[in-house]
Amino acid sequence: GAVVSQHPSRVICKSGTSVKIECRSLDFQATTMFWYRQFPKQSLMLMATSNEGSKATYEQGVEKDKFLINHASLTLSTLTVTSAHPEDSSFYICSARPDRYEQYFGPGTRLTVT
Amino acid sequence: EDKVVQSPLSLVVHEGDTVTLNCSYEVTNFRSLLWYKQEKKAPTFLFMLTSSGIEKKSGRLSSILDKKELFSILNITATQTGDSAIYLCAVEGSGNQFYFGTGTSLTVIP
Repeated sequence: GAVVSQHPSRVICKSGTSVKIECRSLDFQATTMFWYRQFPKQSLMLMATSNEGSKATYEQGVEKDKFLINHASLTLSTLTVTSAHPEDSSFYICSARPDRYEQYFGPGTRLTVT
Repeated sequence: EDKVVQSPLSLVVHEGDTVTLNCSYEVTNFRSLLWYKQEKKAPTFLFMLTSSGIEKKSGRLSSILDKKELFSILNITATQTGDSAIYLCAVEGSGNQFYFGTGTSLTVIP
């Protein structure tokens, strides 16, 4: 089956530093990838839609200068959390869609900002 | 290998029908199982299940977990066209890792 990987699976960084998270579709091409943030009480918030070769579309309330998204190829999208703060600590999940109705999620990245 | 498998992949029913969606899992150090409804892009949380045999209910939706057989079902009674969506199942394992199924696409026709 289709597999989406994320790297790293968990990262701890100091306040003020930047962290890059990679999302890869391993055995299919995805023109569109999504980035989510999981909050307590299980709610998933869509942060942005990443389209290969073009700028990401950010959801309302998400700072595009803080959460930089790059969709470099049909199999790779990256999320960079710039100048991270403790309130950015969360679980970040990506998903990728091939040209069908299925959606494949990555395993997530646990970010802790100290 | 940790995995979550949902079935069926897609389903088309008529309004008023009852549907049962399945989610089976093999996840190390199971902590919880979550159901989401995804209509456009962002999934909406429905239920979190941690204990076997205890049904969670919200209106026409209900869900139950079987930790012995490693599966959960999501029931929707008296379906409406507004129930048309992709229903996602996710399992939380060790290290707060989440594993998602590919979803069941439900279409309810009038």
